[in-house]
Amino acid sequence: GQSLEQPSEVTAVEGAIVQINCTYQTSGFYGLSWYQQHDGGAPTFLSYNALDGLEETGRFSSFLSRSDSYGYLLLQELQMKDSASYFCAVSSNTGKLIFGQGTTLQVKP
Amino acid sequence: DADVTQTPRNRITKTGKRIMLECSQTKGHDRMYWYRQDPGLGLRLIYYSFDVKDINKGEISDGYSVSRQAQAKFSLSLESAIPNQTALYFCATSSGQGPHEQYFGPGTRLTVT
Repeated sequence: GQSLEQPSEVTAVEGAIVQINCTYQTSGFYGLSWYQQHDGGAPTFLSYNALDGLEETGRFSSFLSRSDSYGYLLLQELQMKDSASYFCAVSSNTGKLIFGQGTTLQVKP
Repeated sequence: DADVTQTPRNRITKTGKRIMLECSQTKGHDRMYWYRQDPGLGLRLIYYSFDVKDINKGEISDGYSVSRQAQAKFSLSLESAIPNQTALYFCATSSGQGPHEQYFGPGTRLTVT
């Protein structure tokens, strides 16, 4: 089967850096994706890692270690608008995307 | 205009009623997906389709059925709605390159009383 674990809640202050971790178990692993969802809104794609290492997109970066079945999303220079839920998701040779239960990030002034 | 649209956006129905949720996309993607979201449970896959002739069950397909009427349209039906199907339902699409980058519709909030 497939399973993912990520923290349920994270709190940080504006301007700070926060890291959201994700560990996974899956067979036929292809890659790890990250999605952002604001309250009541649609999930939106942030990043995808198929290979080990760090991918940077503006203030957001995502990291993957295939040997450790581990990844993280790094958010820098936090802004109030970054308050949202963040989901990691694994893709595999099944052609499906399996989501974690999500991490609620609260950014405080 | 939105690339992925869902109708209705909100629906309240009674136990035992049949209900259909519709999804349309203009992204030209072959792959379409239906998810439900419950508080604290993330997104769970109900059904997915890689093309018009390909329909697959997801993690939680019991009590649901789907129809892929065209490349751009993918409908989800609840044959006999029950209260524990109260949830937020999302349709999503992805290109043939894989499921990792999906584009979601705005969601349908369904309440079964």
